[in-house]
Amino acid sequence: QKEVEQNSGPLSVPEGAIASLNCTYSDRGSQSFFWYRQYSGKSPELIMSIYSNGDKEDGRFTAQLNKASQYVSLLIRDSQPSDSATYLCAVKGGYNFNKFYFGSGTKLNVKP
Amino acid sequence: DGGITQSPKYLFRKEGQNVTLSCEQNLNHDAMYWYRQDPGQGLRLIYYSQIVNDFQKGDIAEGYSVSREKKESFPLTVTSAQKNPTAFYLCASTNPPNWDNQPQHFGDGTRLSIL
Repeated sequence: QKEVEQNSGPLSVPEGAIASLNCTYSDRGSQSFFWYRQYSGKSPELIMSIYSNGDKEDGRFTAQLNKASQYVSLLIRDSQPSDSATYLCAVKGGYNFNKFYFGSGTKLNVKP
Repeated sequence: DGGITQSPKYLFRKEGQNVTLSCEQNLNHDAMYWYRQDPGQGLRLIYYSQIVNDFQKGDIAEGYSVSREKKESFPLTVTSAQKNPTAFYLCASTNPPNWDNQPQHFGDGTRLSIL
């Protein structure tokens, strides 16, 4: 079992719609969770971080965390073609807090 | 501006050759990491370092070596023992590992290919 699982996609949504990206993790002791956006050929850039159960909003982005279900999600409201990228879920290890575990990413396509 | 600088952006390796990828950061971060990314894949950890003169193997350390002689620098050597080195290499750093809520910041990456 991988430490962090994501649906590889592609996830296709029309412009203006809500895109929902999901991630599950196996280390129940994990405390810190991050979403990165990666454009093709570029390095990952941090979008959101979340540490407590519930929702965290930042502009068009909302991160949701449910530690009991070991589930993290990212909602993108009013999706734009510029949001088309691969979104990586990252979890900071609970057992080994020096390591970050990355999912394989979900590719999002926003159609104009 | 603070950040992580990786060089070169593109690198070509000949058969049997060792090559070194540079990573320098001016964020005053203690922890530094090297990842490998293959097309359509996630990030796989090669090596990481929490403090100067100390580093640990990640999940795919075979065929790679690192050093951490200065806080700012964490070079990665891809040795001839690494038979499939073609990939996108990413360097990252973060504040001390016991600061739970600190994310990793990434450099722009080095793309390595075999000649």
